Amino acid sequence: DAGITQSPRHKVTETGTPVTLRCHQTENHRYMYWYRQDPGHGLRLIHYSYGVKDTDKGEVSDGYSVSRSKTEDFLLTLESATSSQTSVYFCAISEGGRDTEAFFGQGTRLTVV
Amino acid sequence: GENVEQHPSTLSVQEGDSAVIKCTYSDSASNYFPWYKQELGKRPQLIIDIRSNVGEKKDQRIAVTLNKTAKHFSLHITETQPEDSAVYFCAAKKAPGSARQLTFGSGTQLTVLP
Repeated sequence: DAGITQSPRHKVTETGTPVTLRCHQTENHRYMYWYRQDPGHGLRLIHYSYGVKDTDKGEVSDGYSVSRSKTEDFLLTLESATSSQTSVYFCAISEGGRDTEAFFGQGTRLTVV
Repeated sequence: GENVEQHPSTLSVQEGDSAVIKCTYSDSASNYFPWYKQELGKRPQLIIDIRSNVGEKKDQRIAVTLNKTAKHFSLHITETQPEDSAVYFCAAKKAPGSARQLTFGSGTQLTVLP
């Protein structure tokens, strides 16, 4: 398996609190992504990064922010958690070549109560 | 942006039968089409992919076909086994530009009945 680790693996938080999820890679891949997975929606891109301090929005970015201060770490922050953000969050990494696969982390199950 | 549609959303087959999952994409610039398998509670993992300059690719019991003109691609699993039961996702990616992100279909829950 590619060296990609997400933390925490499970989290329960209250509505209105900020939450930060961490993705750590040891592959030195340029591209990192955050997806959320919900029944019937597949994997939807929240934000992605194409280098240190270089990030951009995906299709479901409202209510989320990201930061990448080092190649190996990509943080996803829910600024003020809402129940609609209850989901499974996956980080993925990719070399970013013309047609290279994405490797996924184990996922983080987040419940907002 | 790219839009990927996947059908069916659920599929049940008898063990030993074949299973086919179909995807269509909207952006003619897309040129990389991977398929991921996700077992219950696990991460998605790549099982096969195809580039736009290839029409078909096989790997043992799994094959993928691509029709660029019609903008659709399909996953074929032959001689299905219970361990093939999982959710399968198709995806599409285009190379140019800085994005290089995958757009996924909504997934197909495949159940292989013993």
